[in-house]
Amino acid sequence: QSALTQPASVSGSPGQSITISCTGTSSDVGGYVSWYQQHPGKAPKLMIYDVSSRPSGVSNRFSGSKSGNTASLTISGLQAEDEAVYYCSSYTRSTTLRYVFGIGTKVTVL
Amino acid sequence: QLVESGGGFAQSGGSLRLSCVASGFTFSTYSMNWVRQAPGKGLEWVSYISSSSSTIYYADSVKGRFTISRDNAKNSLFLHLASLRDDDTAVYYCARETAGQDPWGQGTLVTVSS
Repeated sequence: QSALTQPASVSGSPGQSITISCTGTSSDVGGYVSWYQQHPGKAPKLMIYDVSSRPSGVSNRFSGSKSGNTASLTISGLQAEDEAVYYCSSYTRSTTLRYVFGIGTKVTVL
Repeated sequence: QLVESGGGFAQSGGSLRLSCVASGFTFSTYSMNWVRQAPGKGLEWVSYISSSSSTIYYADSVKGRFTISRDNAKNSLFLHLASLRDDDTAVYYCARETAGQDPWGQGTLVTVSS
């Protein structure tokens, strides 16, 4: 099973907006997509589910979208605390279930 | 909240049993997952179990070696790791399945050495 394709790193200055892409196939990203934030030494945290929905408590500076087999996470008004690794995730569910994660994108706040 | 335990050192070919205790939600109504992360690497899904244990899935990399189970009366999820290999070294997280995986436990480190 192949990982979803993400850029290794993205950077931006405080206050700017950045976008992280996540490319898969019609079997995975073509459907359900979620995004996770992970700070060093910490557990991942769900930031976006069902492509564009935010869990309670997640800042509205985080937004998700999808076009075809590419999903995107946009962070608006970049803040120092947003510096972390971000993973996209999807799954296929036919005869079996298979979750797949992206390789992770390191976001650096300059 | 999810709290994992049971990690530690094991020899290649050995076994370990990981536990995850849930609190703050009705554990018996949720499917659960195990996800692992090798040192300095990304996330890898390991296994899924439905709320009633009627449906179980494994990643190809662990199929036939790992066994997921749960005890709803004790709000507990388990992962039995057998025939361990060096590349099973990772932090193992349990995660509740909702529309995504949320929340996650703090993880427990498994180190396999030959």
